[in-house]
Formats: sequence, C-alpha cells, structure tokens
Amino acid sequence: AQSVTQLGSHVSVSEGALVLLRCNYSSSVPPYLFWYVQYPNQGLQLLLKYTSAATLVKGINGFEAEFKKSETSFHLTKPSAHMSDAAEYFCAVSRDEAAGNKLTFGGGTRVLVKP
Amino acid sequence: GAVVSQHPSRVICKSGTSVKIECRSLDFQATTMFWYRQFPKQSLMLMATSNEGSKATYEQGVEKDKFLINHASLTLSTLTVTSAHPEDSSFYICSASSADSRYEQYFGPGTRLTVT
Repeated sequence: AQSVTQLGSHVSVSEGALVLLRCNYSSSVPPYLFWYVQYPNQGLQLLLKYTSAATLVKGINGFEAEFKKSETSFHLTKPSAHMSDAAEYFCAVSRDEAAGNKLTFGGGTRVLVKP
Repeated sequence: GAVVSQHPSRVICKSGTSVKIECRSLDFQATTMFWYRQFPKQSLMLMATSNEGSKATYEQGVEKDKFLINHASLTLSTLTVTSAHPEDSSFYICSASSADSRYEQYFGPGTRLTVT
C-alpha cells in the first residue's frame, strides 16, 4: 500500500520569501511522485513529477522538488513566493505502470502569501 | 495539448433526482479515466477507475449502483449520481491518461454538485 503525508495543512509566507512544502511518502515499490496545484474551484495542475530520472526535479512557475530516498521525502520549494502562488498544493504518489497510474494524494497544504 | 473538460461546471439538483457529469479529453485519446471526489478543504479521494469499453473498477466503500460510470469512447466518460442526497454534494473531478502519457494524469476543472 502507498501513502502520502504532507506536514502542515496551512503554510503562510511573505511575498519574496522561501516556500517549503513537505511531503513524505510510503511505498513498497519505487515510487513515482507528483506535485499538483489547485486554485479555488478548479481542477489540479501538474507542477512537476519524479519518475526515477534526476532526483532534483524542476517544474513550472519556479518550483522544484528533490527526491530523497533515504528520507522518503519529496519536498517542494520555491525561492521567492509570489502572490499568485496562493493556492492548495497536493503531493501524490503512483505505483508502477501496471497498476494503471492510480494516484494516492496527500491531505494538501494551503499556501497563503502575505504582501 | 492534454486538455480535459468537464460539464457542467456547477449543478444544483433536488434530492432524489439523478445527475450526469461528463468528462471529455479534447485532444488525446484517454484509455483510462479516473473519477475523484473532493470535500471542502480536503484531499481528493479516488472513486473509480474506468478503462474504455470496460466496466469501471470502484474503490472500497464507493457504491457502484449509486455512482454509475460509463467510459464508452476514448474521449468521453460519464459519472451519474443516482437518487442524489444532500450528502452527495461535493466537488467531483475527473482525470484522464493515455498509453502515451506514462504515469501522468490530466485533470478536468471539476464539477460542483449541490443537492438540495
């Protein structure tokens, strides 16, 4: 079974400050890991994904995440927050291709950006 | 590319009626579609997985007779909430993947269902 834990349901950052969203996973097979962003009343948009290539993954909107197997983590960072980064962020894990790409989501972290 | 649409975006229905939500992949053929449910301020919970031309596979605890899923073509899947009740009010999101997309799902914008 797989699971994802996102530490902190809410994160408040000042505009221009570092954004750090934590994600830890549990998986019995090599995982495929994703970060999604959701704006109010909208679907999910993929920020970035890890699929066993480079451990440091760069995504859209200046976000990046690092896969650390020893820590079973895939934390999301952005050096300088913008007001437009205020949204809900979800970390997700997928099993291998044979499992039909089913995603297991973490509980989400809501980011508030203060001017 | 990889655009998924949902219709309607919002729907209000009376208790006891049925409502159908459509999920379409606009520019690719989706061999697999997923339906999620999201309660306010909560994460997405997978309801079912459907492969084109096959019966949907429901997650544990999801009533297959209440949430009817049809995936009749490679670009369309429908979710019908039968005999809706207020507790079915939620945000329903679909996603689609293809044989070429490998590990990536493309999400629709969601449908807000309110049952009165």
